[in-house]
Amino acid sequence: AQSVAQPEDQVNVAEGNPLTVKCTYSVSGNPYLFWYVQYPNRGLQFLLKYITGDNLVKGSYGFEAEFNKSQTSFHLKKPSALVSDSALYFCAVRDKNSGYSTLTFGKGTMLLVSP
Amino acid sequence: GAGVSQSPSNKVTEKGKDVELRCDPISGHTALYWYRQRLGQGLEFLIYFQGNSAPDKSGLPSDRFSAERTGESVSTLTIQRTQQEDSAVYLCASSQEGRLGAGGYTFGSGTRLTVV
Repeated sequence: AQSVAQPEDQVNVAEGNPLTVKCTYSVSGNPYLFWYVQYPNRGLQFLLKYITGDNLVKGSYGFEAEFNKSQTSFHLKKPSALVSDSALYFCAVRDKNSGYSTLTFGKGTMLLVSP
Repeated sequence: GAGVSQSPSNKVTEKGKDVELRCDPISGHTALYWYRQRLGQGLEFLIYFQGNSAPDKSGLPSDRFSAERTGESVSTLTIQRTQQEDSAVYLCASSQEGRLGAGGYTFGSGTRLTVV
């Protein structure tokens, strides 16, 4: 089985400050990890993914995420938040070795960046 | 096409009616997925198609839900005898599954279904 937890329903941050959106996962083998963003009335857009190699992954719009195997985490980060970053963020996981091909998504975290 | 296309974008239906939602995946993408997103909740997996293999229907919530896909083309999700709890955004995604299956998904904009 594979699962994702996003412990925060909402994260509030002031523009210009660093932001972190938390994600932890559970898989029986090794994970593929993803972050997606959803703007209002839009579909999900791919931000970044971890497959293998360097634990720090850089993605679109200045976002990055760090894979931490010992803590089974894949937190999303950005050094300086923008108001336009306000959106719903989803973490997703797939077990590399299971042969089960669908991604499992977390419940999502609403990020609100205030001016 | 350039992206995943879903139609209609919005659908309001009366309780008890049947609805059909359409997804047109990216050309060449062998895998197609349907997810449901209820207000304030995460994405709920419904069904997965991979090429000509038998679909994974393990996420369908009841026998009122069914989906079809012919080859690697358009898919339709049908909900029979709709109930108010079926109200949600139905998202379709496609991917080009490499051997290691490391690809991400490309999502459509979704169909917002409201059952009144």
